[in-house]
Amino acid sequence: ETGVTQTPRHLVMGMTNKKSLKCEQHLGHNAMYWYKQSAKKPLELMFVYNFKEQTENNSVPSRFSPECPNSSHLFLHLHTLQPEDSALYLCASSQDGRENEQYFGPGTRLTVT
Amino acid sequence: SQQGEEDPQALSIQEGENATMNCSYKTSINNLQWYRQNSGRGLVHLILIRSNEREKHSGRLRVTLDTSKKSSSLLITASRAADTASYFCATGTGSGSRLTFGEGTQLTVNP
Repeated sequence: ETGVTQTPRHLVMGMTNKKSLKCEQHLGHNAMYWYKQSAKKPLELMFVYNFKEQTENNSVPSRFSPECPNSSHLFLHLHTLQPEDSALYLCASSQDGRENEQYFGPGTRLTVT
Repeated sequence: SQQGEEDPQALSIQEGENATMNCSYKTSINNLQWYRQNSGRGLVHLILIRSNEREKHSGRLRVTLDTSKKSSSLLITASRAADTASYFCATGTGSGSRLTFGEGTQLTVNP
């Protein structure tokens, strides 16, 4: 887990708040990912960045805004979220964006009230 | 439609027994991967098997892949209480960066 870190680990926010999730990878990888994991549902891919360029946006609502300033850092900016957005948000990285093994962070448990 | 589906959804065994989990998928794949997730934590990569491979071993793990049946199995031998976790299969189709994950099998190993 120390290869990919995520902060905060837990976040409670109101629907009118603005917050950001942070992910950092120390593995020298070039691809980073945001996933959403809700109870009783498969892991949902949200965004993919490959060499700092967004290569995939899986029809994610605009209230989620990703940012990748460099290959080691990935942010997910949140604003005007809904209660159904409460979930575990997982960041992952891989050597490149070619379906190689992915290394996951511990996740941020988000609760929207 | 969902690419990877694990079976069973839940499995409870005694320590020392073997655990077998299955994964079925719908489209052609480039590789299939298995991951483990402890409760509320991130996923940990266990093993990757490519479409031209039929079997792979890693410690107490044995993975098989049958592309004709579009299925894979994960066998954990001599299970331990620490193996209690959710296990997910993920498929890569070779067309980009996306891995598609199944819903997972919840394995409980009782001491």
